Amino acid sequence: KNQVEQSPQSLIILEGKNCTLQCNYTVSPFSNLRWYKQDTGRGPVSLTIMTFSENTKSNGRYTATLDADTKQSSLHITASQLSDSASYICVVSAHGTYKYIFGTGTRLKVLA
Amino acid sequence: DGGITQSPKYLFRKEGQNVTLSCEQNLNHDAMYWYRQDPGQGLRLIYYSQIVNDFQKGDIAEGYSVSREKKESFPLTVTSAQKNPTAFYLCASSTGQGGYEQYFGPGTRLTVT
Repeated sequence: KNQVEQSPQSLIILEGKNCTLQCNYTVSPFSNLRWYKQDTGRGPVSLTIMTFSENTKSNGRYTATLDADTKQSSLHITASQLSDSASYICVVSAHGTYKYIFGTGTRLKVLA
Repeated sequence: DGGITQSPKYLFRKEGQNVTLSCEQNLNHDAMYWYRQDPGQGLRLIYYSQIVNDFQKGDIAEGYSVSREKKESFPLTVTSAQKNPTAFYLCASSTGQGGYEQYFGPGTRLTVT
């Protein structure tokens, strides 16, 4: 069964600190993995996309990693800001289909 | 301004009434999707459409209906048969199959009492 699991469910950190969010998946055949940021009451916005051959990809203070062998990905946020408070969703695409498998997200709160 | 829009942002209905949620995109995308988001759950696929005049049921299609008469538009009707319609509904579009990025609309929060 295609599944995407994220941890932790929620996280509270102080402004300026770093954090790492985890995503484990069992999706086959794997096409790509995306991290989305979703502000409360808004639609998700793509942060990064990673294909099978990519290990690391950065987007400003966001760095995603992918280990295709262990089927794990992480999203590292550096020097967090109050505006980083949001839910972060891991989404895995199955190759050759219209299926996008969504994780339940990690809710991040950054405190001043 | 290119993008995907949903209206209204908030919608209130009485139980037993059908309601239609609007989704429009000007990105020239072939594929469009409807998802439902509930607290503590991942997005769940209701319906998707690969091309005009064609659509497929997703994982939770019961109590919902859609149409795709134009490439730009993919309205979702929540019928009285949907047992728990109160939720946040998200529309998305993409160029093609699962390898392509999905662009999401701002969402519609539907409350049925």
